[in-house]
Amino acid sequence: QKEVEQDPGPLSVPEGAIVSLNCTYSNSAFQYFMWYRQYSRKGPELLMYTYSSGNKEDGRFTAQVDKSSKYISLFIRDSQPSDSATYLCAMSGGSGGSNYKLTFGKGTLLTVNP
Amino acid sequence: GAVVSQHPSWVICKSGTSVKIECRSLDFQATTMFWYRQFPKQSLMLMATSNEGSKATYEQGVEKDKFLINHASLTLSTLTVTSAHPEDSSFYICSEGASGSDTQYFGPGTRLTVL
Repeated sequence: QKEVEQDPGPLSVPEGAIVSLNCTYSNSAFQYFMWYRQYSRKGPELLMYTYSSGNKEDGRFTAQVDKSSKYISLFIRDSQPSDSATYLCAMSGGSGGSNYKLTFGKGTLLTVNP
Repeated sequence: GAVVSQHPSWVICKSGTSVKIECRSLDFQATTMFWYRQFPKQSLMLMATSNEGSKATYEQGVEKDKFLINHASLTLSTLTVTSAHPEDSSFYICSEGASGSDTQYFGPGTRLTVL
């Protein structure tokens, strides 16, 4: 079993739809959870960052972490064509230092159709 | 978030030559930088962790003599692909660790094509 599982999609939705992206993981030591957005041929861009369980909202984006189920989600409300990208979940089990490795999911390719 | 730049953004080279990729932290002094490689439609693969003033730590399976990493200052890390071959063609991305958290900020990436 891989440490982080993410459905690669592709996922295609109409503009305005609510998008749900998910990752599951097996390592209970993970404490920091991130979602990155990566446009084609660009570096990943940090979207959301969450420590431990709970919800975090930023505009149209909501990140949820359920450590008891080892399950994280990213919700995108009122999706726009500009949201079309690959979304990568990432997590780490460090103590807040800057030198801990991230474990990535494979990424989900999202297309929002106008 | 932190701002990271990479240069060049795209490089084409002949087989057997060496290529240097620069990664700069523009607004932050990065003690630790990371180098990743990404093949088409695949996720990021960590190659090495680069610490300022010390030797890089390479991931298993990554040849340290082929992928030379130098982190001589808090704002600059370089990756040199030595004696490049077509199978080294890939998207190379650096990142810097954010102080006080485990998150990382990524550069825009460098596309390497070896002919």
